Amino acid sequence: KAGVTQTPRYLIKTRGQQVTLSCSPISGHRSVSWYQQTPGQGLQFLFEYFSETQRNKGNFPGRFSGRQFSNSRSEMNVSTLELGDSALYLCASSLTGDVEPQHFGDGTRLSIL
Amino acid sequence: AQRVTQPEKLLSVFKGAPVELKCNYSYSGSPELFWYVQYSRQRLQLLLRHISRESIKGFTADLNKGETSFHLKKPFAQEEDSAMYYCALKTSYDKVIFGPGTSLSVIP
Repeated sequence: KAGVTQTPRYLIKTRGQQVTLSCSPISGHRSVSWYQQTPGQGLQFLFEYFSETQRNKGNFPGRFSGRQFSNSRSEMNVSTLELGDSALYLCASSLTGDVEPQHFGDGTRLSIL
Repeated sequence: AQRVTQPEKLLSVFKGAPVELKCNYSYSGSPELFWYVQYSRQRLQLLLRHISRESIKGFTADLNKGETSFHLKKPFAQEEDSAMYYCALKTSYDKVIFGPGTSLSVIP
């Protein structure tokens, strides 16, 4: 089985721009979660999607949004980028988001200039 | 408040020595706890979960609800155990709260 795939692997943007990150979960997995990883804050939960619905959300501003498509692929969007948004963004998938553990992708490293 | 703490940012042990990575949590519900590991240049991966009560790569972890702890232990550390270890608490629908992580370095 192919693992969780995130694209692109690296992105460089400037302040004020917006960005869209993509995540393809493991085949059959319907739950997709997003995390932000920074040296200062560690791994922080952004949101979780299941069957195209956001079920859970972390404490991030509204500039961070996401969506999930009918094939379970998910995208995350960050608008009006700030320097502090520089981070590794990780996507994780699981079958239902209930009792199974999550499987993580390699992440997208976003750098804001 | 829901929180996971790992008091040691960095832990160094000699090869063959016992290792214990500490994890404490704060959660009012019934916790579901995990240990994730990230080896150098690899993706984050599940090491073990308390519900399975299994031993993976010689590591074990016991949930102590009284002390709200889920410490990770291994009797004899190996060089290949050097990695970043994260304790994680799952609250609901894949909302997972991670601890800050402990970097384990096994000295040959």
